[in-house]
Amino acid sequence: DAGVTQSPTHLIKTRGQQVTLRCSPKSGHDTVSWYQQALGQGPQFIFQYYEEEERQRGNFPDRFSGHQYPNYSSELNVNALLLGDSALYLCASKLSGLLYLNEQFFGPGTRLTVL
Amino acid sequence: DAKTTQPPSMDCAEGRAANLPCNHSTISGNEYVYWYRQIHSQGPQYIIHGLKNNETNEMASLIITEDRKSSTLILPHATLRDTAVYYCIVRVANFGNEKLTFGTGTRLTIIP
Repeated sequence: DAGVTQSPTHLIKTRGQQVTLRCSPKSGHDTVSWYQQALGQGPQFIFQYYEEEERQRGNFPDRFSGHQYPNYSSELNVNALLLGDSALYLCASKLSGLLYLNEQFFGPGTRLTVL
Repeated sequence: DAKTTQPPSMDCAEGRAANLPCNHSTISGNEYVYWYRQIHSQGPQYIIHGLKNNETNEMASLIITEDRKSSTLILPHATLRDTAVYYCIVRVANFGNEKLTFGTGTRLTIIP
Protein backbone atom coordinates (compact mmCIF):
# COMPACT_ATOMS: atom_id res chain seq x y z
CA ASP A 1 0.00 0.00 0.00
CA ALA A 2 1.61 3.24 -1.14
CA GLY A 3 1.67 5.98 1.41
CA VAL A 4 1.33 9.68 0.64
CA THR A 5 3.28 10.61 -2.47
CA GLN A 6 4.34 14.07 -3.61
CA SER A 7 5.81 15.43 -6.80
CA PRO A 8 8.21 16.77 -7.72
CA THR A 9 10.76 16.06 -4.99
CA HIS A 10 12.77 19.19 -5.73
CA LEU A 11 11.98 22.35 -7.65
CA ILE A 12 13.83 25.57 -8.42
CA LYS A 13 11.95 28.71 -9.44
CA THR A 14 12.69 32.41 -9.70
CA ARG A 15 10.93 35.28 -7.97
CA GLY A 16 7.59 36.20 -9.49
CA GLN A 17 6.99 32.80 -11.05
CA GLN A 18 4.16 30.45 -10.24
CA VAL A 19 4.47 26.87 -9.03
CA THR A 20 2.18 23.84 -8.69
CA LEU A 21 2.93 21.01 -6.29
CA ARG A 22 1.07 17.71 -6.33
CA CYS A 23 0.00 15.22 -3.70
CA SER A 24 -1.57 11.76 -3.89
CA PRO A 25 -3.05 10.75 -0.55
CA LYS A 26 -2.73 7.36 1.08
CA SER A 27 -5.14 4.88 -0.45
CA GLY A 28 -8.68 5.50 0.72
CA HIS A 29 -7.91 8.81 2.44
CA ASP A 30 -10.25 11.65 1.53
CA THR A 31 -8.82 14.60 3.48
CA VAL A 32 -5.63 16.38 2.45
CA SER A 33 -3.72 19.10 4.28
CA TRP A 34 -0.72 21.14 3.17
CA TYR A 35 2.09 22.46 5.35
CA GLN A 36 5.08 24.73 4.76
CA GLN A 37 8.30 23.99 6.64
CA ALA A 38 11.06 26.59 6.56
CA LEU A 39 14.58 25.51 7.41
CA GLY A 40 14.97 24.86 11.13
CA GLN A 41 11.28 25.42 11.87
CA GLY A 42 8.31 23.18 12.47
CA PRO A 43 5.71 22.73 9.73
CA GLN A 44 3.12 25.50 9.41
CA PHE A 45 -0.45 24.66 8.37
CA ILE A 46 -1.50 26.18 5.04
CA PHE A 47 -4.95 24.67 4.40
CA GLN A 48 -7.01 21.52 4.30
CA TYR A 49 -9.24 20.08 1.58
CA TYR A 50 -12.20 17.77 1.96
CA GLU A 51 -14.86 16.94 -0.62
CA GLU A 52 -13.03 19.16 -3.12
CA GLU A 53 -13.43 22.24 -0.94
CA GLU A 54 -11.08 24.20 1.27
CA ARG A 55 -12.38 23.51 4.75
CA GLN A 56 -9.75 25.07 6.99
CA ARG A 57 -7.03 27.63 6.36
CA GLY A 58 -3.96 28.83 8.21
CA ASN A 59 -2.39 32.27 8.16
CA PHE A 60 -1.17 32.32 4.56
CA PRO A 61 -1.89 34.95 1.87
CA ASP A 62 -4.17 34.40 -1.10
CA ARG A 63 -1.11 33.71 -3.26
CA PHE A 64 -1.41 30.21 -1.82
CA SER A 65 -4.31 28.30 -3.30
CA GLY A 66 -5.23 24.70 -3.75
CA HIS A 67 -7.44 22.19 -5.37
CA GLN A 68 -8.71 18.71 -4.64
CA TYR A 69 -9.84 16.35 -7.36
CA PRO A 70 -12.61 13.72 -7.20
CA ASN A 71 -9.96 11.02 -6.70
CA TYR A 72 -8.85 12.97 -3.58
CA SER A 73 -5.48 13.98 -5.02
CA SER A 74 -4.56 17.59 -4.42
CA GLU A 75 -2.52 20.47 -5.75
CA LEU A 76 -0.92 23.43 -4.03
CA ASN A 77 -0.43 26.53 -6.17
CA VAL A 78 1.74 29.47 -5.21
CA ASN A 79 1.67 32.63 -7.32
CA ALA A 80 4.14 35.52 -7.48
CA LEU A 81 6.85 33.58 -5.69
CA LEU A 82 8.95 35.35 -3.08
CA LEU A 83 12.35 34.36 -1.75
CA GLY A 84 10.65 33.61 1.57
CA ASP A 85 8.54 30.91 -0.06
CA SER A 86 11.61 28.69 -0.19
CA ALA A 87 10.72 25.75 2.03
CA LEU A 88 9.78 22.09 2.25
CA TYR A 89 6.11 21.69 1.37
CA LEU A 90 4.45 18.74 3.05
CA CYS A 91 1.20 17.04 2.24
CA ALA A 92 -0.72 15.03 4.85
CA SER A 93 -3.75 12.81 4.40
CA LYS A 94 -6.28 11.11 6.61
CA LEU A 95 -9.71 9.57 6.61
CA SER A 96 -12.58 11.80 7.58
CA GLY A 97 -15.03 10.80 10.26
CA LEU A 98 -15.17 10.60 14.01
CA LEU A 99 -13.29 7.30 14.12
CA TYR A 100 -10.27 8.82 12.39
CA LEU A 101 -9.68 12.06 14.24
CA ASN A 102 -6.17 11.50 15.34
CA GLU A 103 -3.56 10.26 12.91
CA GLN A 104 -2.39 12.10 9.84
CA PHE A 105 0.03 10.55 7.37
CA PHE A 106 2.65 12.82 5.85
CA GLY A 107 4.41 12.58 2.54
CA PRO A 108 8.16 13.15 2.06
CA GLY A 109 7.63 16.70 0.85
CA THR A 110 8.65 18.87 -2.09
CA ARG A 111 11.70 21.07 -1.58
CA LEU A 112 11.05 24.43 -3.29
CA THR A 113 13.91 26.85 -3.82
CA VAL A 114 13.13 30.37 -5.02
CA LEU A 115 16.06 32.32 -6.49
CA ASP B 1 -4.71 25.58 20.12
CA ALA B 2 -2.72 25.78 23.34
CA LYS B 3 0.99 26.62 23.17
CA THR B 4 3.59 23.97 24.03
CA THR B 5 7.15 24.32 25.33
CA GLN B 6 9.85 21.73 24.72
CA PRO B 7 13.60 21.67 25.30
CA PRO B 8 15.44 22.35 22.03
CA SER B 9 17.68 19.30 22.27
CA MET B 10 18.38 16.13 24.25
CA ASP B 11 20.80 13.22 24.10
CA CYS B 12 20.10 9.63 25.12
CA ALA B 13 22.30 6.53 25.16
CA GLU B 14 21.29 3.73 22.86
CA GLY B 15 19.25 1.09 24.69
CA ARG B 16 18.19 3.45 27.47
CA ALA B 17 14.77 5.02 27.88
CA ALA B 18 14.38 8.44 26.30
CA ASN B 19 12.08 10.77 28.23
CA LEU B 20 10.95 13.85 26.33
CA PRO B 21 9.10 16.51 28.33
CA CYS B 22 6.47 18.94 27.10
CA ASN B 23 4.83 21.81 28.93
CA HIS B 24 1.28 22.82 27.96
CA SER B 25 0.11 24.83 30.94
CA THR B 26 -2.74 26.57 29.05
CA ILE B 27 -4.33 23.37 27.76
CA SER B 28 -8.12 23.33 27.67
CA GLY B 29 -10.32 20.50 28.84
CA ASN B 30 -11.18 19.33 25.33
CA GLU B 31 -7.65 19.47 23.93
CA TYR B 32 -5.63 16.33 23.29
CA VAL B 33 -1.85 15.96 23.46
CA TYR B 34 -0.22 14.56 20.33
CA TRP B 35 3.34 13.56 19.57
CA TYR B 36 4.85 13.42 16.11
CA ARG B 37 8.46 12.96 15.08
CA GLN B 38 10.38 13.94 11.99
CA ILE B 39 13.40 12.00 10.91
CA HIS B 40 15.80 13.95 8.73
CA SER B 41 14.53 14.50 5.18
CA GLN B 42 11.20 12.79 5.85
CA GLY B 43 7.69 14.00 6.66
CA PRO B 44 6.46 13.95 10.26
CA GLN B 45 5.26 10.61 11.66
CA TYR B 46 2.46 10.18 14.20
CA ILE B 47 3.58 8.52 17.44
CA ILE B 48 0.84 8.66 20.05
CA HIS B 49 -1.89 10.85 21.54
CA GLY B 50 -3.84 11.14 24.79
CA LEU B 51 -6.42 13.20 26.66
CA LYS B 52 -5.82 12.60 30.36
CA ASN B 53 -4.96 8.96 30.85
CA ASN B 54 -1.54 7.48 30.23
CA GLU B 55 -1.29 5.77 26.88
CA THR B 56 0.99 3.13 25.41
CA ASN B 57 1.41 1.72 21.94
CA GLU B 58 4.07 -0.22 20.07
CA MET B 59 6.20 2.87 19.61
CA ALA B 60 6.04 4.77 22.90
CA SER B 61 4.29 5.64 26.14
CA LEU B 62 2.67 8.96 26.96
CA ILE B 63 2.45 10.12 30.56
CA ILE B 64 0.14 13.10 31.22
CA THR B 65 0.20 14.77 34.63
CA GLU B 66 -3.01 14.84 36.63
CA ASP B 67 -3.47 18.59 36.07
CA ARG B 68 -2.72 18.02 32.35
CA LYS B 69 -0.28 20.92 32.27
CA SER B 70 2.62 18.77 31.16
CA SER B 71 3.39 15.41 29.61
CA THR B 72 6.31 13.10 28.89
CA LEU B 73 6.88 10.92 25.87
CA ILE B 74 8.85 7.79 26.70
CA LEU B 75 10.74 5.72 24.16
CA PRO B 76 11.49 2.64 26.29
CA HIS B 77 14.59 1.30 24.51
CA ALA B 78 15.98 3.98 22.24
CA THR B 79 17.77 2.95 19.05
CA LEU B 80 19.81 4.98 16.60
CA ARG B 81 16.76 5.10 14.32
CA ASP B 82 14.94 7.13 16.99
CA THR B 83 17.21 10.11 16.29
CA ALA B 84 14.75 12.76 15.10
CA VAL B 85 12.95 15.98 15.98
CA TYR B 86 10.01 15.28 18.30
CA TYR B 87 7.01 17.59 18.31
CA CYS B 88 4.46 17.90 21.09
CA ILE B 89 1.15 19.31 19.80
CA VAL B 90 -2.05 20.22 21.58
CA ARG B 91 -5.30 20.42 19.66
CA VAL B 92 -9.01 19.92 19.81
CA ALA B 93 -9.83 16.68 18.05
CA ASN B 94 -13.10 17.17 16.24
CA PHE B 95 -14.41 16.73 12.77
CA GLY B 96 -13.35 19.64 10.61
CA ASN B 97 -10.34 20.66 12.69
CA GLU B 98 -7.35 18.90 11.20
CA LYS B 99 -4.82 21.65 11.81
CA LEU B 100 -1.65 20.61 13.62
CA THR B 101 0.27 23.50 15.18
CA PHE B 102 3.94 22.50 15.29
CA GLY B 103 6.51 24.31 17.41
CA THR B 104 10.24 23.88 16.95
CA GLY B 105 10.29 20.56 18.80
CA THR B 106 13.06 18.68 20.61
CA ARG B 107 15.98 17.36 18.62
CA LEU B 108 16.71 13.94 20.15
CA THR B 109 20.08 12.40 19.41
CA ILE B 110 20.68 8.76 20.32
CA ILE B 111 24.30 8.16 21.22
CA PRO B 112 25.83 4.74 20.35
